[in-house]
Amino acid sequence: NAGVTQTPKFQVLKTGQSMTLQCAQDMNHEYMSWYRQDPGMGLRLIHYSVGAGITDQGEVPNGYNVSRSTTEDFPLRLLSAAPSQTSVYFCASGLVGSYNEQFFGPGTRLTVL
Amino acid sequence: GEDVEQSLFLSVREGDSSVINCTYTDSSSTYLYWYKQEPGAGLQLLTYIFSNMDMKQDQRLTVLLNKKDKHLSLRIADTQTGDSAIYFCPLNQGGKLIFGQGTELSVKP
Repeated sequence: NAGVTQTPKFQVLKTGQSMTLQCAQDMNHEYMSWYRQDPGMGLRLIHYSVGAGITDQGEVPNGYNVSRSTTEDFPLRLLSAAPSQTSVYFCASGLVGSYNEQFFGPGTRLTVL
Repeated sequence: GEDVEQSLFLSVREGDSSVINCTYTDSSSTYLYWYKQEPGAGLQLLTYIFSNMDMKQDQRLTVLLNKKDKHLSLRIADTQTGDSAIYFCPLNQGGKLIFGQGTELSVKP
């Protein structure tokens, strides 16, 4: 049981490049989400999904796309990277319900030059 | 919208007790959580409390909830250097976790 895995661990992009951050979980969780963490800002929700085929925007969705074709995978796409997207990105998964402990991946540290 | 406020830093000596505080602007969460983030790692659930409880004890951890004042606290007894981390108390808003800035706990030997 690997839990929540994220790839890559580190990435450097140039402004305008696109890329996909991968997230997978093997716990059969319905709920998956993406957060970004910036110094002094805590974690901010980018996008989330309550099941395959269902996605919705969080607090800071601009510049990011997601899809959820399977229960296990929830990739995050940066369409045209900007320096403001330099951050640490965390994927999380959990069950839908009143008690929804979320399990976090180890994070992807992204730098946009 | 809902907001979570935490003090940014706390420094204690090894062996002392630590108290980390959290204040909400509004909350209807059934459960309230404390997450711990060690340096360079993701977040892990440390403990939680059901919203109709005032207190929960879990080994060295004590969680206190004052619903009237919308105040949650985490007390760590006999704080160790391994407790150095950032602590978060997110709100559960319809399944989404809303985070504050987190409190960075520094434990000095």
